[in-house]
Amino acid sequence: AQSVTQPDIHITVSEGASLELRCNYSYGATPYLFWYVQSPGQGLQLLLKYFSGDTLVQGIKGFEAEFKRSQSSFNLRKPSVHWSDAAEYFCASMEYGNKLVFGAGTILRVKS
Amino acid sequence: EAQVTQNPRYLITVTGKKLTVTCSQNMNHEYMSWYRQDPGLGLRQIYYSMNVEVTDKGDVPEGYKVSRKEKRNFPLILESPSPNQTSLYFCASSSRQGEFSHTDTQYFGPGTRLTVL
Repeated sequence: AQSVTQPDIHITVSEGASLELRCNYSYGATPYLFWYVQSPGQGLQLLLKYFSGDTLVQGIKGFEAEFKRSQSSFNLRKPSVHWSDAAEYFCASMEYGNKLVFGAGTILRVKS
Repeated sequence: EAQVTQNPRYLITVTGKKLTVTCSQNMNHEYMSWYRQDPGLGLRQIYYSMNVEVTDKGDVPEGYKVSRKEKRNFPLILESPSPNQTSLYFCASSSRQGEFSHTDTQYFGPGTRLTVL
């Protein structure tokens, strides 16, 4: 069965600093990959997705992610973090079919 | 506005008292799904539905039932809730790309926080 690993449970960065959240997936073929963000008390909002093609994907709110098949990774990046980016971030994969498999999530704290 | 709605948003109940959490989407999506979110575990799929009258188990279906009598609605039923079903529940929907293809992006409802005493 496929799985998604987010190695960092918590990350703290200073406002204005760069951010990288790690995500590794296990699946033989190329999965469909997603990053979602969950602000406190809110539902999940899609940041970006990768289905095929260009391995560098641009998303909303200034986020981007890079698919690296050799490393089975799909890390999320942002060049300059804002205080409003504090939230929980989930990486997810979908194999051929419909089920989304989520990682455990990474809580981002932004310090001023 | 395209959206997935859930009701209620918050619910406190007691063990064994049957409850239903409703989910409705206005995007004419074929695919709908229920997830539960628990700390340190991310979201896990409970049940999903590929279309009207078509439902199937996800990873954690025990203790839950669903039905899909109409395309827009996908209620989650807990016949006899237990404390281990205390969780945050999300409904999601998406369109399908074809009979044997994947679904498109899943859109999530705002969540229902359930506490079973």
